[in-house]
Amino acid sequence: DAGVTQSPTHLIKTRGQQVTLRCSPKSGHDTVSWYQQALGQGPQFIFQYYEEEERQRGNFPDRFSGHQFPNYSSELNVNALLLGDSALYLCASSLVSGANTEAFFGQGTRLTVV
Amino acid sequence: AQKITQTQPGMFVQEKEAVTLDCTYDTSDPSYGLFWYKQPSSGEMIFLIYQGSYDQQNATEGRYSLNFQKARKSANLVISASQLGDSAMYFCAMRGGLLGGYNKLIFGAGTRLAVHP
Repeated sequence: DAGVTQSPTHLIKTRGQQVTLRCSPKSGHDTVSWYQQALGQGPQFIFQYYEEEERQRGNFPDRFSGHQFPNYSSELNVNALLLGDSALYLCASSLVSGANTEAFFGQGTRLTVV
Repeated sequence: AQKITQTQPGMFVQEKEAVTLDCTYDTSDPSYGLFWYKQPSSGEMIFLIYQGSYDQQNATEGRYSLNFQKARKSANLVISASQLGDSAMYFCAMRGGLLGGYNKLIFGAGTRLAVHP
C-alpha cells in the first residue's frame, strides 16, 4: 500500500518564476492538505482540498493556489516566487472526519528560490 | 486562537534511558486532538501517537506514551528505552474542532532530540 508520494523531491527556481508541486494521497484517502515548513520551524498550514474544492486556507497570499483532481491527487502552485518561499513543502492526506483523524505525510518537496 | 508551545529547542538522552519532551497547548475548542510527529533528516513527518481531548486514559504506542494533563493543557511525549534511531526533530501538533477547524494541524516549533550511545 503506497503512502503519500510527492514530486519532485527537490527543486531550484529563480525569483519571479512559477512552480507546481504534486501530491498523491495514501490509498483510500480523500483529503489533501499542504504545509510549508521553513528551515528550523514547524510546518504551517497552507490549505486543504476535499471533493476538488478548497475547504480551509491558512494565512498565505493568493500567490499560493491549489487543485485537487477526481483521483484525489493534488497540486500546489506558487506564482511570482520570492526568496522567502524557500522551504520544505509537505503534503498530508487523510479521510474527512472529526478531530481524531490522523494525517499521513509525504517526504516533502524541498524548494529553493535563488 | 489555537497555539502549541514546545519550550525545549534541544534535548539529549543516553541510549536506553527515558526522555520527556514537553508540549503545552491553548485552545477554546471543547473537542480537539493532540498529535506527536517525528521528523528525521529526510523530511518526512512520521506519526507517533494521538490523544483525543475526551480520552480518559493516556495514549500509548509501543515505546511512546503521552502524558495528557488536560487541566494544565499539557501533552508531553515520553519515549522509553531510547534508541540511536530516535535522534530526530519531534513536533507536537493539535487539530481543532468546531471553532479551530477540523481541517488543519497546528504545529509547535519542535524539539531536536539527540540520543547518545
